[in-house]
Amino acid sequence: GQNIDQPTEMTATEGAIVQINCTYQTSGFNGLFWYQQHAGEAPTFLSYNVLDGLEEKGRFSSFLSRSKGYSYLLLKELQMKDSASYLCALSGGYQKVTFGTGTKLQVIP
Amino acid sequence: EAGVTQFPSHSVIEKGQTVTLRCDPISGHDNLYWYRRVMGKEIKFLLHFVKESKQDESGMPNNRFLAERTGGTYSTLKVQPAELEDSGVYFCASSQGRTGHGYEQFFGPGTRLTVL
Repeated sequence: GQNIDQPTEMTATEGAIVQINCTYQTSGFNGLFWYQQHAGEAPTFLSYNVLDGLEEKGRFSSFLSRSKGYSYLLLKELQMKDSASYLCALSGGYQKVTFGTGTKLQVIP
Repeated sequence: EAGVTQFPSHSVIEKGQTVTLRCDPISGHDNLYWYRRVMGKEIKFLLHFVKESKQDESGMPNNRFLAERTGGTYSTLKVQPAELEDSGVYFCASSQGRTGHGYEQFFGPGTRLTVL
């Protein structure tokens, strides 16, 4: 089976940096996704990590440690539009994706 | 390029009725997935098609749910008869890639189903 843990809610200030952590236990692992979901909209792809390490993409970076079952999403230079839910998801066998409950991020002025 | 589309965007039905949801994946994507998000819970996998074949249907809750993908293009998800606990948002996603590898899944806007 698979189990994913991430904080339920976080608040951060516009212009700041925020790190959203995700820990997981799984019997089968291909990679780890981060998705962004604004209220009432479809999840949109942010990143996919297969190997250990940090991958940077503009203001967003994602880190993975397979040995520790740990990932984080780092958002820099926060903007108000970054207020959304951030979903950590595991890719297992045959591309089956298991989602965490998501972290609701509120960016305040 | 058109994204994943779903129809209808909202559906309100009474318990015991039948509802059919439709998903049109991105053209050329062999992989099509159905997910469901019940209020307050995480998005849960329902099933995965590769072309017209069901690759994995381990997430289908019971035999009231039937998914089809005739011809390997669009897919339908039928709920018959609908129960109150079936209410939620049903997402469809599609991706390229070979079975066994993780690839970006593009999500549709979802169908919000309310069973009264």
